[in-house]
Order: sequence, then C-alpha cells, then structure tokens
Amino acid sequence: GAVVSQHPSWVICKSGTSVKIECRSLDFQATTMFWYRQFPKQSLMLMATSNEGSKATYEQGVEKDKFLINHASLTLSTLTVTSAHPEDSSFYICSVVSGDRDSINFGPGTRLTVT
Amino acid sequence: AQTVTQSQPEMSVQEAETVTLSCTYDTSESDYYLFWYKQPPSRQMILVIRQEAYKQQNATENRFSVNFQKAAKSFSLKISDSQLGDAAMYFCAYRSQAGTALIFGKGTTLSVSS
Repeated sequence: GAVVSQHPSWVICKSGTSVKIECRSLDFQATTMFWYRQFPKQSLMLMATSNEGSKATYEQGVEKDKFLINHASLTLSTLTVTSAHPEDSSFYICSVVSGDRDSINFGPGTRLTVT
Repeated sequence: AQTVTQSQPEMSVQEAETVTLSCTYDTSESDYYLFWYKQPPSRQMILVIRQEAYKQQNATENRFSVNFQKAAKSFSLKISDSQLGDAAMYFCAYRSQAGTALIFGKGTTLSVSS
C-alpha cells in the first residue's frame, strides 16, 4: 500500500495564528486525499476530500475559509488552519487512495495544540 | 446517508481468550466495503481486516475474523488468542463503492489483561 507521511507530527501555535499541515504520498501519485479530525478518545470525522488540481469538497459543518486545503500536486496536499483557536486543538489525519481505488492508507497524524 | 454504530465503548479480554467487537451499519446500497481498523496509542491507523459486501464468505486474517451478516447489516470482529499487543481502539468503517471516503463508528477501546 501507499506510504503516507505528515509534517509536522506535532505543532503548537498561538491563538490567532495560522498553521499548515502537509500530507505526502511517498510512493504513489494520489489524485484523492482525505482529511480527518479526531478529538481525544473519539472517532475520526471526515473534514474534506482533496482532489488534485481542483477545489476541495468539504463536509457539512466544516468551515472552508478556516480550513484551507490545497492539493497542488499528485503527492502533496496541505491543510492550513487559519486564525487558529484553542477549540481547533485536535489530531488531524490524512489518508490516500491507492491506485486500485480499493485501498486507503493513513498518515501518522498531526497533533495541533493552540494556546 | 450511511451510518456506522459501535455499541460497545469499552471491552476487556484476558490474554489467550477470544473477544468479539460489535458493529452495525445502515445503508441503502447493495455494494460496499466494510473495514476494521486498529488505532494503538501511537494513533497510527492500522487496517485489521476488510470485507467486500458482495462476498458471502467471511474475511479472515490470522487471529482476526469477521461475522458479516448482510441482511442484518452486522459486521462483528472476533479476535482469537488475544495478545497484549491487541490492546487499542478499534474502529468499524464503511466505504461506498461509488465514493472512497471511510465513515467510521465511534470506536471500541479494547484492553487486554495478562
């Protein structure tokens, strides 16, 4: 399956600032990537679907102006949390659809702490 | 919209014993995929087992097997000969044939005691 990396693994930022999280498909060109959010001891909630070369599709209730997703290449998708607030503190996970479209591989996740 | 329900927030099992985690789902589709994922303390999502809805045979991966009841929309995971390393949060997930995003249940935290 595809190897997926995320950077950074943990980031602390101050309230009001923006932070960018990268998701890379290391050995596969991914036309589709997904971004999930997970609060402690809770499930993964789909935030958006990122398609290379087009605008992301956001799930209901997810603010697209706050969570900016860019999928400019077949190996990289970025999630930018703008004007972060403490309630945005969470674990963000990306996943990649592999070539046969039957396999979904997950990145290791990024822990965001907003102080 | 599809939904996935895991009714057991926590389960416990002793080493070498067998435990079954429950999962039900709701869908109007006839073709889809079902998954069980393991999330250890590292929080890396690990695929445990996958089932295609069109296959009647229950999927098996070593000590892990499922009981897939399509009519009942039930998809339970059985872990045999439980090991300490099986302790983790387990998520049941649904994936439509048409789309590719996974829809997760709320998860079951499994603890294993020696």
